[in-house]
Amino acid sequence: DAGITQSPRHKVTETGTPVTLRCHQTENHRYMYWYRQDPGHGLRLIHYSYGVKDTDKGEVSDGYSVSRSKTEDFLLTLESATSSQTSVYFCAISDRSSSGRGNEQFFGPGTRLTVL
Amino acid sequence: GNSVTQMEGPVTLSEEAFLTINCTYTATGYPSLFWYVQYPGEGLQLLLKATKADDKGSNKGFEATYRKETTSFHLEKGSVQVSDSAVYFCALSDQADNAGNMLTFGGGTRLMVKP
Repeated sequence: DAGITQSPRHKVTETGTPVTLRCHQTENHRYMYWYRQDPGHGLRLIHYSYGVKDTDKGEVSDGYSVSRSKTEDFLLTLESATSSQTSVYFCAISDRSSSGRGNEQFFGPGTRLTVL
Repeated sequence: GNSVTQMEGPVTLSEEAFLTINCTYTATGYPSLFWYVQYPGEGLQLLLKATKADDKGSNKGFEATYRKETTSFHLEKGSVQVSDSAVYFCALSDQADNAGNMLTFGGGTRLMVKP
């Protein structure tokens, strides 16, 4: 299994509080991604990183920010959590192949976040 | 933009039945195609992939063929087992300059196999 851990694995918080989720990898992969999983929507990309301090927005980035100060860590922050951000959050990593095609993304175990 | 459409579930089958989960896609470029599987309480893991037209990906008895003419990548298995019960996601990746191979997912199809 790819070395990806997420913390915490479960969190319950209240509306308006800040929340930070951590993704840690031991694979030295260049790319890291944050997704959220909601019923009927599959996985939707929130933010991604293509290197240390290099990040960009995904499809559903409003209300989220990210930081990557080290290759191995990618943090997702909800500045002021809302009930619509109740979801399961997955981190993923990948590296570019020589052909540039078909790169597998490896997923972490997920964090279940409930915002009351 | 890119999108993936897969059949809604749940799909309920008896053990040893034949499985098909349909997946069609739209893409602006020439994508690679993937099937991921998610077992209860776990993250996603790659089941199989295909990177060019007419390629067949296969793994653990599952198969899918990249059909460019019909923009499809249907997942099949000849004889399902109870242990195949999971959620299956079809996905595509289109090369992006900075994002590696960013994935676009379908909504997922839950498969339930009964003994």
